[in-house]
Amino acid sequence: GESVGLHLPTLSVQEGDNSIINCAYSNSASDYFIWYKQESGKGPQFIIDIRSNMDKRQGQRVTVLLNKTVKHLSLQIAATQPGDSAVYFCAELSGGSYIPTFGRGTSLIVHP
Amino acid sequence: DAGITQSPRYKITETGRQVTLMCHQTWSHSYMFWYRQDLGHGLRLIYYSAAADITDKGEVPDGYVVSRSKTENFPLTLESATRSQTSVYFCASSETTSGKGPGELFFGEGSRLTVL
Repeated sequence: GESVGLHLPTLSVQEGDNSIINCAYSNSASDYFIWYKQESGKGPQFIIDIRSNMDKRQGQRVTVLLNKTVKHLSLQIAATQPGDSAVYFCAELSGGSYIPTFGRGTSLIVHP
Repeated sequence: DAGITQSPRYKITETGRQVTLMCHQTWSHSYMFWYRQDLGHGLRLIYYSAAADITDKGEVPDGYVVSRSKTENFPLTLESATRSQTSVYFCASSETTSGKGPGELFFGEGSRLTVL
């Protein structure tokens, strides 16, 4: 079936580096994508979203890139900080559905 | 306080017992969801609700029952708990905005359930 997945289960970076977390999706009808951050012991928190009519969207220190041609989504975190250590999930929705499908998650570890 | 709250945060129960996890949101969001999170499986949808008195099954509904008599509440009941239902359960809600399509989900802090 169609699914959302992540390329790397764990990403280790040094404080101050830029981080890139990738997500592949297979449903060509997907038109809304969301990135979530989940800190240990807490619920997922919204970071940034993007709709399929856009290729790029920027927030505070985060940028999401969408490549519809290869069905790829990425989250870029600039100047990664120890507080960015968490599990990051991508989620996708399609065709006006309100039910997101989540990927398995990538663990980001930031070393001071 | 505004937001989405779950209770209890931690629960230990025995096999065969009935357990109810509560979820309450103050935004009057239309959609509410229950997910379970297990290592290696990510977030899996148990049930969701599009509005009061409307519920539907998700990916892993077996062994669970939900109700939505009021917009703000969405309790999840394990009728006869099994060890395989040991997990962390997350409730979430999202709003529907006319003409804008779906919005992001807002999650509660989770309920950690252990079934002995």
